This record gives sequence, structure tokens and C-alpha cells, in this order.
Amino acid sequence: DGGITQSPKYLFRKEGQNVTLSCEQNLNHDAMYWYRQDPGQGLRLIYYSQIVNDFQKGDIAEGYSVSREKKESFPLTVTSAQKNPTAFYLCASSIPEYQPQHFGDGTRLSIL
Amino acid sequence: GQQVMQIPQYQHVQEGEDFTTYCNSSTTLSNIQWYKQRPGGHPVFLIQLVKSGEVKKQKRLTFQFGEAKKNSSLHITATQTTDVGTYFCAGRGYGQNFVFGPGTRLSVLP
Repeated sequence: DGGITQSPKYLFRKEGQNVTLSCEQNLNHDAMYWYRQDPGQGLRLIYYSQIVNDFQKGDIAEGYSVSREKKESFPLTVTSAQKNPTAFYLCASSIPEYQPQHFGDGTRLSIL
Repeated sequence: GQQVMQIPQYQHVQEGEDFTTYCNSSTTLSNIQWYKQRPGGHPVFLIQLVKSGEVKKQKRLTFQFGEAKKNSSLHITATQTTDVGTYFCAGRGYGQNFVFGPGTRLSVLP
């Protein structure tokens, strides 16, 4: 079955540590996105990519970094510069960037 | 920048009652999408509206896009316990990315 796979499901970060969240899709979608969701709130765009080897900052990119070396993969690194990283992180993909987005199951990141 | 607001924030209804959530954008939209997120789950796409004044139906769900393309609504007729979740609108300004609203959390009491 086609879909988006995010891993791990739960992640714990120590102070000063960088962590990387994985996102893989087999839908052959060009566009991929990373969102952050805080409790009781909507989704805020961190980064997005419309094509391999190209990505743009979203509304809350500070403290995060991404890469898009393959069409299928769009990993997100939460750096130590992100002082409040505890949140639910969702990866999504779509055909062109204005079409419906398909979401993964998300990764819950917490601080130790 | 573009802002998308939704009201109400929470809605508790008795099973069988109707439910409506409203979405308002600070700017004119090219299109709007609606998503549903079940508790503990991820958002699932419901529908996209593109035309001014457009109305679309999916069984008990009715979606409307305002004439000015700045607001939208989702109406559920005769709610069921399976309708429980948070409903998000996501509005896209011309040449912009989608901006998600904060969502309306629906509880349905059996």
C-alpha cells in the first residue's frame, strides 16, 4: 500500500542534542512538508520541498533543518537551537503543492 | 501574513444534533481544504473547494465556500459518534502555501 511512514513514533531529546525525524513516502509525490502541532492547536509549517534538492522555510523554521536528497525522503532535524521542541511533528506529501496533502502518523518529541 | 481563524474552538453535541464550524481568512483565498483529525491520529483530507460560492456534499457533510472566497463552513447533519475529532480548514492565498486554522474539536455524546 502507498503511504507515508514516519519514524520513530516517540522520541526523547536531551538538552543540547540534535535529533532527526524520518519521513519516507512511496506515493511518488513531488511536494513534501513538515508541520508542528502543539496541544489544542493547528498545524504550523516548518519546511517544505517541491522538488529534490530544493526546500524552503515555512513559518517556524528557526531551530530546524531539512534535506531532500531523494524524492521519497524528507528528514527533519530538530537542533539544539530549538528551545521548545516538545510537540507532535507531522510529515505530509502532495502531487503539486496545492493538492490534498497525505499525512504520516506523526512523531511525538519530548524533552528529557 | 495570512491568518486563518475557526470558530468555535470546541463544540459538544448530543448524538443526532447538527454541527457547524466556520473558517475565516484574513485574505482572499484561491482554494480551501478541510481535514479531520481523530484523537491521537493524523489529519485526513476531506474536501477541497475552489470556486466562489461552491457547495459540496459528502453524505451528511456539507461544505461551503463564501462568495468573497474569504470564508468557509462545514456542516454535519445528525451527528454520530464516529464524527468525533478535530476539524481543520486550510486556506491557500494566491501563490502562497496553505495555512491551517486552529481547528474545531467536536465531541458527540451518545
